[in-house]
Amino acid sequence: GAVVSQHPSWVICKSGTSVKIECRSLDFQATTMFWYRQFPKQSLMLMATSNEGSKATYEQGVEKDKFLINHASLTLSTLTVTSAHPEDSSFYICSASNLNQPQHFGDGTRLSIL
Amino acid sequence: GESVGLHLPTLSVQEGDNSIINCAYSNSASDYFIWYKQESGKGPQFIIDIRSNMDKRQGQRVTVLLNKTVKHLSLQIAATQPGDSAVYFCAERNDMRFGAGTRLTVKP
Repeated sequence: GAVVSQHPSWVICKSGTSVKIECRSLDFQATTMFWYRQFPKQSLMLMATSNEGSKATYEQGVEKDKFLINHASLTLSTLTVTSAHPEDSSFYICSASNLNQPQHFGDGTRLSIL
Repeated sequence: GESVGLHLPTLSVQEGDNSIINCAYSNSASDYFIWYKQESGKGPQFIIDIRSNMDKRQGQRVTVLLNKTVKHLSLQIAATQPGDSAVYFCAERNDMRFGAGTRLTVKP
């Protein structure tokens, strides 16, 4: 099946630093990528939808200057959490799709801000 | 808001029994649905999908039923195994906001 790779799988960093998470579609061209965050025992919350070559569309309540999304190619999207603080600690998950593929998810990045 | 929601947050079944997980949707124009399984600490995994021109689709031990009249779909898991314990989500292709999911627990 289709594979989406997410990196890193786990990161710990100090408060105030920026963290970049990569999402790669390994075997299909992803015209659309999605970014989610998930708190323990809760569902996935859609943060933003990005189409290749376009600006991301953010969900209500998600700060676009805080969570920078770049989708510069059909196989790579990045999420940068800028000036991260402890409340940004969460499980971040990306997914990729195109007209011929349903969404396939990465295995998530566990972000811990100290 | 969410276009797809789950009826029950938890489901507990005995190993070997069949499981049925339900999902409702609100958009009658929705034409493609997907079921995902999420194990602890992992991303959701594709299980099975169904298009609106079908009422039923079967996979290995799983069956998805779609009732467009009442905007309802279900995932049936035959002979449920401990490895099936996870959270299950349904999603509509054009609106990938997830509902709460159903946590399936399989008792040995």
